[in-house]
Amino acid sequence: ETGVTQTPRHLVMGMTNKKSLKCEQHLGHNAMYWYKQSAKKPLELMFVYNFKEQTENNSVPSRFSPECPNSSHLFLHLHTLQPEDSALYLCASSYTAGTGGYEQYFGPGTRLTVT
Amino acid sequence: GQQVMQIPQYQHVQEGEDFTTYCNSSTTLSNIQWYKQRPGGHPVFLIQLVKSGEVKKQKRLTFQFGEAKKNSSLHITATQTTDVGTYFCADLYNFNKFYFGSGTKLNVKP
Repeated sequence: ETGVTQTPRHLVMGMTNKKSLKCEQHLGHNAMYWYKQSAKKPLELMFVYNFKEQTENNSVPSRFSPECPNSSHLFLHLHTLQPEDSALYLCASSYTAGTGGYEQYFGPGTRLTVT
Repeated sequence: GQQVMQIPQYQHVQEGEDFTTYCNSSTTLSNIQWYKQRPGGHPVFLIQLVKSGEVKKQKRLTFQFGEAKKNSSLHITATQTTDVGTYFCADLYNFNKFYFGSGTKLNVKP
């Protein structure tokens, strides 16, 4: 439906594991985003990439490491996570243009559980 | 940092009743976008408001942007069970930075 895919859809990992989340957009957008959505907090913007360059890191702990090899792909590398990092991780993409942006298209999300 | 407050947090209505959610900020909002997230789903874009005092309609949904650009609202007329979900407002700040409100969860009883 959205043109933004995310894998895996569900992930359970221990605190000592290393895993990666993948996002791909097929919409020709130039900006990609990572969000964290937990039960108690609204959508929290984590990282923004514009034309492969990181333009925003919203004070995210270093145990989350993003990678954007091109405008269509975005990764989130995870290591030594904490149980409180359990959440739905959403990827989104959009066009950006000067002082005005365009709507974001979200992927289905990865439901992450840290044990 | 930018804070966007959204009320109410929850709203339970009988099918056919109206529903309104409000988005407020102490600072001037740039561009307001509204999203809907169905249970178990992901946010889906509904509309963007840019101009002071702007009003846009989509069938039973009416979106407004305040004259001072410090608030916005989404009104649904005669709710249906398909309206169930969480409605978020988001301030588009600095052309690619989004601040989302906490969302209003709407439940519609048939």
